[in-house]
Amino acid sequence: EPEVTQTPSHQVTQMGQEVILRCVPISNHLYFYWYRQILGQKVEFLVSFYNNEISEKSEIFDDQFSVERPDGSNFTLKIRSTKLEDSAMYFCASRGEGSSYNSPLHFGNGTRLTVT
Amino acid sequence: GENVEQHPSTLSVQEGDSAVIKCTYSDSASNYFPWYKQELGKRPQLIIDIRSNVGEKKDQRIAVTLNKTAKHFSLHITETQPEDSAVYFCAASKGSNYQLIWGAGTKLIIKP
Repeated sequence: EPEVTQTPSHQVTQMGQEVILRCVPISNHLYFYWYRQILGQKVEFLVSFYNNEISEKSEIFDDQFSVERPDGSNFTLKIRSTKLEDSAMYFCASRGEGSSYNSPLHFGNGTRLTVT
Repeated sequence: GENVEQHPSTLSVQEGDSAVIKCTYSDSASNYFPWYKQELGKRPQLIIDIRSNVGEKKDQRIAVTLNKTAKHFSLHITETQPEDSAVYFCAASKGSNYQLIWGAGTKLIIKP
């Protein structure tokens, strides 16, 4: 079964540094998402991406965040200047064409970001 | 905006017994309600979902019920097994853009 893959699995960075989290969605999927989960808390929506542009973003997704699909396979999340509170598990997800019901989300294994 | 409340936060049941987790949502326009299971340190995995034109859906030991009028939906797990131990999240969504609004999660503990 095809999977969403994320790299790295764990990223440690110093406060103020830039990080790029990478995702390879399932190849025929068209909608891409980033979610984050602070340890022990609920999963929070960050951003959705379709047709090479952001379609929706949450309040969390401020100017420090950006997403990009630099080629036909990768989908990246960049945090420009990391803060301690950015420490979390970041999940990439993708889905195919059609309604939410007929095309459910597939999540990657996540990247654990630790900001020190 | 949409708000999803989930209860209880922790649920401990004897192996073989049933477990019920409940969620309420605030936005009557929500029309899709998935349930995810997340084992420690792993990705959320979809276990069952229901859309607003259906009242109940069952898949082996797992069932979900939806009451649109009351705006609540529940996950039922029967004949619980040790491997059911995990955190379970409910979520709600409206429209095709699929911004899922998640509940806070329920830690399910199956006692041997």
